Amino acid sequence: GIQVEQSPPDLILQEGANSTLRCNFSDSVNNLQWFHQNPWGQLINLFYIPSGTKQNGRLSATTVATERYSLLYISSSQTTDSGVYFCAVLNQAGTALIFGKGTTLSVSS
Amino acid sequence: DAGITQSPRHKVTETGTPVTLRCHQTENHRYMYWYRQDPGHGLRLIHYSYGVKDTDKGEVSDGYSVSRSKTEDFLLTLESATSSQTSVYFCAISDPVDYEQYFGPGTRLTVT
Repeated sequence: GIQVEQSPPDLILQEGANSTLRCNFSDSVNNLQWFHQNPWGQLINLFYIPSGTKQNGRLSATTVATERYSLLYISSSQTTDSGVYFCAVLNQAGTALIFGKGTTLSVSS
Repeated sequence: DAGITQSPRHKVTETGTPVTLRCHQTENHRYMYWYRQDPGHGLRLIHYSYGVKDTDKGEVSDGYSVSRSKTEDFLLTLESATSSQTSVYFCAISDPVDYEQYFGPGTRLTVT
């Protein structure tokens, strides 16, 4: 099955810093999503981005499907950005999201 | 936010007892899913449904059953709970246009 790897596993930032999170996947995909799991455990949809680039405020994402990776950019980080960021791709049967292990982000003031 | 609720939000139960978790959606999405989240394993699919009374197994389905009698409700049942089923359970929904999945708030289940 598809393998999803995220890096780095942990990231510690000062408020205001920028960061880039990476997601590599082992096969072609038709669906890639980025989620933020906040400290209360809620999974929040950030981007649905099987290819191309999208931006939403301080966050943007780029997926290069032909090279099997996606990047999540966080600019001017805030303490509320803390949590775990997951990349997930749809399996080839189209029945389940396959999640990476996540990047844990801690932003301090 | 997608209209997805899960109940209960927290439950403590004893080994061997039956447990049913409920997922309710107001989005009229056709597809519904149950995942569990465990440290070191991330989220893994338990069962999914692609319509009323149409369900199938996921990666970690042993010890679980599901039912879907209405579009808006998807039930997950642990017939006889075990300590290995202590986990956080998430429900998700999607439609068959782009399969973008949206998640409910989760249920934290502890089996003692």
